[in-house]
Amino acid sequence: GAVVSQHPSRVICKSGTSVKIECRSLDFQATTMFWYRQFPKQSLMLMATSNEGSKATYEQGVEKDKFLINHASLTLSTLTVTSAHPEDSSFYICSALWQGMTDTQYFGPGTRLTVL
Amino acid sequence: QKEVEQDPGPLSVPEGAIVSLNCTYSNSAFQYFMWYRQYSRKGPELLMYTYSSGNKEDGRFTAQVDKSSKYISLFIRDSQPSDSATYLCALIYNQGGKLIFGQGTELSVKP
Repeated sequence: GAVVSQHPSRVICKSGTSVKIECRSLDFQATTMFWYRQFPKQSLMLMATSNEGSKATYEQGVEKDKFLINHASLTLSTLTVTSAHPEDSSFYICSALWQGMTDTQYFGPGTRLTVL
Repeated sequence: QKEVEQDPGPLSVPEGAIVSLNCTYSNSAFQYFMWYRQYSRKGPELLMYTYSSGNKEDGRFTAQVDKSSKYISLFIRDSQPSDSATYLCALIYNQGGKLIFGQGTELSVKP
């Protein structure tokens, strides 16, 4: 299967700081990437859909000024959590859409964010 | 009513058992059906992708779709301790569309 990486895998920051998470598709180009959030023992919650060269589409209830998404190239999307607070602590996972005979989302390994 | 329902478990079985994981869905417009496996603190890994009623087999895994009943299943034969993970069903309406996930079933295979 296709490979998607995320960096960093784990980050701890102080309240009020901003954190950037990178998502890269390593062996294919992805026009579309997705960002998810996952709380312990819960399923993935879609935050936004990121399209290369255009603005991201955010799901209802997700603050676009809080979670800035940039998809500047066909292999890289970034999520910036601005002015992070403890309630933003979570597991953030990206996926990249591989468009072949069937469109398939391949997921990154996730980034665990802890805000102190 | 949630679009996709999945029993969260946990499900515990002995090594070698046949495991059955299931999801039901409410909207017959879903066309594509996937099963992902997620190990603790990792991203989901695609296991199976189907788009028609019937069975699809890959090694020890069989995905089954019954569109008339709006019911999908994943069977694991000869389960191994390494199969211990959370299994998520995911459905989409159209190619490239948003994944609608079930809650995930936590599976534990005991040696």
